[in-house]
Amino acid sequence: DAGVIQSPRHEVTEMGQEVTLRCKPISGHNSLFWYRQTMMRGLELLIYFNNNVPIDDSGMPEDRFSAKMPNASFSTLKIQPSEPRDSAVYFCASSWQGGTGNIQYFGAGTRLSVL
Amino acid sequence: AQTVTQSQPEMSVQEAETVTLSCTYDTSESDYYLFWYKQPPSRQMILVIRQEAYKQQNATENRFSVNFQKAAKSFSLKISDSQLGDAAMYFCAYRSVNNAGNMLTFGGGTRLMVKP
Repeated sequence: DAGVIQSPRHEVTEMGQEVTLRCKPISGHNSLFWYRQTMMRGLELLIYFNNNVPIDDSGMPEDRFSAKMPNASFSTLKIQPSEPRDSAVYFCASSWQGGTGNIQYFGAGTRLSVL
Repeated sequence: AQTVTQSQPEMSVQEAETVTLSCTYDTSESDYYLFWYKQPPSRQMILVIRQEAYKQQNATENRFSVNFQKAAKSFSLKISDSQLGDAAMYFCAYRSVNNAGNMLTFGGGTRLMVKP
C-alpha cells in the first residue's frame, strides 16, 4: 500500500489567495483526519470524517477553512482567503475505525507558506 | 478534556546508549490508548509503539519499550542501543476508547538528538 498521499508537498502563496490541500487515504480506511502543526500550538486536530461524513470540525479555526470528503478515497482542505498566520504543516491521517487500537497513519504533510 | 504533557523539549543521547522520554497525561477515563509517534526531519509521522490502558504488560517493539504507570498517568518511552537514525521529534498521544472517532491528543513533543 502506498500509504496516505498528500499533495502538494509544499505550497507557497500570497495572502488572499485560495489554497487547496489534497489527501488520498489508505484504501479501506473509513476515518480521515486533518491536523495542523505549528511551533506555537503543536499538532492540532482540525476536522475528522467517518465514512465520508464530517463528525467534528470544532478544531477548524474559522470560516475561511473548509474541508470536504466527496468519496472514500479523496479529501480536500481549503483555505479562502489565506493569511500569513495560516502558514504551517498540514497533515492528513487515516485509520480503520473498528480495528484494534485504531491506529492513525499519517501522510508526509503539506508545508504551507502564506506570504 | 484530556491533556498530554511532554516535559522535556530536548534530549540528547550518545549512540548505543539508552534514553528515556517522559510523557504524562490527564484523563478521567479508565480505558484508552497511548501512542508514541516519531517525526524525523522528513516530517513523516511514524508510529513507534502503542499501549492499551487495560493491559498491564508494557509494550515492546524491538529497541523501543514503554513504562506505563496507569495510576501515575505516566507513559515513558525507552530507546535502547540508540542509533543515529533515532534522531527525531517524538510525540506522545492519547486516544479515548469512548469517543465516536479516533481523535488523537498530542503532547508538545521532545526533540531527541543522537551523538555519534
